Parts: sequence; C-alpha cells; structure tokens
Amino acid sequence: DVKVTQSSRYLVKRTGEKVFLECVQDMDHENMFWYRQDPGLGLRLIYFSYDVKMKEKGDIPEGYSVSREKKERFSLILESASTNQTSMYLCASSRGQLRETQYFGPGTRLLVL
Amino acid sequence: GENVEQHPSTLSVQEGDSAVIKCTYSDSASNYFPWYKQELGKRPQLIIDIRSNVGEKKDQRIAVTLNKTAKHFSLHITETQPEDSAVYFCAASPILWDMRFGAGTRLTVKP
Repeated sequence: DVKVTQSSRYLVKRTGEKVFLECVQDMDHENMFWYRQDPGLGLRLIYFSYDVKMKEKGDIPEGYSVSREKKERFSLILESASTNQTSMYLCASSRGQLRETQYFGPGTRLLVL
Repeated sequence: GENVEQHPSTLSVQEGDSAVIKCTYSDSASNYFPWYKQELGKRPQLIIDIRSNVGEKKDQRIAVTLNKTAKHFSLHITETQPEDSAVYFCAASPILWDMRFGAGTRLTVKP
C-alpha cells in the first residue's frame, strides 16, 4: 500500500518567514509532485521531480523552490512567505517514466498571517 | 501547455440517480486520463482511469468514456449513494511525468 506522508497537517506562519514543507513516500517512486489546492481552481502544479536532484517547474513556481536530495523525500520551500500563499499544499508521487497514477499525501493547510 | 476544463463545478442529484461529469483537454498528446475523488478533509484518491487506446472503461457503478477526436472524456456514476458525495477531479497527462487537473466538481447526493 502506497504511503505518502507530509510533515504537517496545519501550519501558521508570518509574512516573510521561510517555510519548509516536507513530503516522504515509501514506495520507491521516481516521480514526486507539489500542488496547491484552492477553491474553484483545482490542483495547480508548483514543481515536480522525476529523479533525485532533478526538478521541473510547473504552472505556478513563482515564490517557491524545491529540493530532492533523496529519492523518498521532496521538500517545498517558500523563501519568503506571503499572504497569497495561504493554501492547501498537496504532495504526490508516482512510479516510472510512463504516465501513471499519482498517490497523494494528506495535505498541509498553510496559513500565512 | 495542456488545459483541462471540467463541468459542472457543482452537481446535486437525488440518491439513485445518475451523475455525469465532463472534461475537455487541449493537448492531443495526452493519453492518460485519471479521475480522482476527494472527500471532505481527505486526500484525492484515484477511482478510475483510462488510456487513449480504449474508449470506455467500467468498474461497478463507475464508468469513464473517452472521445479522442473531440478531446473530451466523462465520468458516469450510476445509482448514486450519499457516500458518493465528494469533489471529483479529472486530469490529463500530456508528457511523461506531468499531469494537469480540472478545477473539480462538487457532487452532492441527496438521500
């Protein structure tokens, strides 16, 4: 059974703080993704990674960076948090190089004050 | 890039009725189309998917149809039950690792 976990379910930060969101998967998946979910906008891709140390920008990378030092772990970094980054953040993983099912983590609800 | 549009944004049906959610996509290279269900406060979970080499797939009360020529695909839920109430997302995969999601449909099944 695929397990994707995220470091926090809820997080409250202040404007300007540096924020780290961590995601860990235990199924040896090659691909990992970070999305943000906002009402009426669905899931929007921030960044994805198809291998260790590899990353690709998604649709809305501005204000975010990522790190993938180990295969099982994918971190999302908000360099200087802003109120418009208040959102639900979902991590996902998938295997291989073919188009495969993505398995999601439980999400982190971030509030930036 | 790929653009996925999903309709309707909200759908309310009576228990036992059918529900249909439709999605269109723009990139003809897309060949994998999953549907996810997200219950309140929970993570999205795959309920059914279809690849472009088939036109229809069914799993008990859930079916998905794909029309590659028209670039649209649909989710059909028959004999709806209150536990089907959730937000449903369609998605299309244009390149190997990438996936684009629709905005979601909030389905409410009234008992």
